[in-house]
Amino acid sequence: EPEVTQTPSHQVTQMGQEVILRCVPISNHLYFYWYRQILGQKVEFLVSFYNNEISEKSEIFDDQFSVERPDGSNFTLKIRSTKLEDSAMYFCASTEEGAVNTEAFFGQGTRLTVV
Amino acid sequence: AQSVSQHNHHVILSEAASLELGCNYSYGGTVNLFWYVQYPGQHLQLLLKYFSGDPLVKGIKGFEAEFIKSKFSFNLRKPSVQWSDTAEYFCAVIITDSWGKLQFGAGTQVVVTP
Repeated sequence: EPEVTQTPSHQVTQMGQEVILRCVPISNHLYFYWYRQILGQKVEFLVSFYNNEISEKSEIFDDQFSVERPDGSNFTLKIRSTKLEDSAMYFCASTEEGAVNTEAFFGQGTRLTVV
Repeated sequence: AQSVSQHNHHVILSEAASLELGCNYSYGGTVNLFWYVQYPGQHLQLLLKYFSGDPLVKGIKGFEAEFIKSKFSFNLRKPSVQWSDTAEYFCAVIITDSWGKLQFGAGTQVVVTP
């Protein structure tokens, strides 16, 4: 069964450092998403991406965040200068063409710890 | 602002007991509704979904949910739980004029004791 894969599964970084979280969406999917879940809190939408551009982003997704699809298979989330409060589980998801009436498939997540 | 509310944060029950988890959303337009499950150490998996049609939907592992439009609710049920149903359960909504953005409830941690 096709699946969304994320690497790394765990990342520890020092405050102020840049991190790149990587995702490989399902190959025929066209819509890509990043979500995060701070420990003990709900899963929050960060950004959606379609046709090589951001289609929607949340208030959380400020200038320190960026997304990229560098090579047609990977979908990355970059945090330029990490803060302690960026510590969370980050989930990538993808959907087929047509963002409604379709199911989002999630990766296993990357646990980011900022120290 | 649109929101998704789950009524219980933690539920503890014994095997063979019935489970019902409440979910309400606040949005007056057309929505797609989902329940996701997250087993310990695993990724979010879809249990079931509602797009249109029969408001009673059946999902995997014996779960079902009922969409009641007048109550803005999408409650999840299972008649008889097993120990393996121990997990966190998330209700989620897509507003159909968004870009497929899922809005999640806070989640309900369900613990099933043998």
